[in-house]
Amino acid sequence: NAGVTQTPKFRVLKTGQSMTLLCAQDMNHEYMYWYRQDPGMGLRLIHYSVGEGTTAKGEVPDGYNVSRLKKQNFLLGLESAAPSQTSVYFCASSYSTVLGPQHFGDGTRLSIL
Amino acid sequence: EDQVTQSPEALRLQEGESSSLNCSYTVSGLRGLFWYRQDPGKGPEFLFTLYSAGEEKEKERLKATLTKKESFLHITAPKPEDSATYLCAVMTTDSWGKLQFGAGTQVVVTP
Repeated sequence: NAGVTQTPKFRVLKTGQSMTLLCAQDMNHEYMYWYRQDPGMGLRLIHYSVGEGTTAKGEVPDGYNVSRLKKQNFLLGLESAAPSQTSVYFCASSYSTVLGPQHFGDGTRLSIL
Repeated sequence: EDQVTQSPEALRLQEGESSSLNCSYTVSGLRGLFWYRQDPGKGPEFLFTLYSAGEEKEKERLKATLTKKESFLHITAPKPEDSATYLCAVMTTDSWGKLQFGAGTQVVVTP
C-alpha cells in the first residue's frame, strides 16, 4: 500500500524560480492538505481541498498556489521562490474531516538559495 | 487565539524508565485531539484520537488521556524503538477539519 506519495523528495531552488510539488494518494480520500514544517514551529497548514476541483486557504497561504484537478492528486506550486519558503513540505489526506485521521506522506525537503 | 503547547521539548529516557509527555491546549471548543509519532526523515504517523475529557486510548506501551485543558501521552517501560518526536494536534469546533499542531516532544530512549 503506497498511501500518500510525494515527489520530489529533495529539491534546491534559486530565489525567483518556480516549481510544483506533487502529492498522490491511493486511498480514495476526499480531503487533502498541504503543510510546512519548520524547526520549533510545528506543522502549519498552507492550503487544503475538500474534494476534486476545490481548494481553500489555510494558515500560511501567501506565496503558494494549489490545484486539485483529479481526486487522487493535490499539487502545490511556488510561483517565485523565496528563502523564507525553505522548509519541509508534507501532504496529507483523510476520508473524513473529523472521524478520519490525516495520513501523511514522507515530505519534500526544499531549500531556496 | 487557539494555542497548543507541548512539554518538555526533549526527553531522554533509559530503557524501561516510564514517563509522560504533556500537550496543553487553549481553544474555543475542542472537536478532537490527535497524537502522532514522527521518525526522522518521515511524515507523522497517526497514533490516537481523543474526543472528550476522561477518554483514554492505548496502543502497546503508549497510553493517551484527555482532560478539559490538556492531554498526556504516557510511555510505559519504553524501548529504544519508541525514540521519535511525538506531536499533538487539536481540531476545534469552528476550524472545520483543520489541525493545529504543537511543536512536538523529541523522545530518545537509550539501552
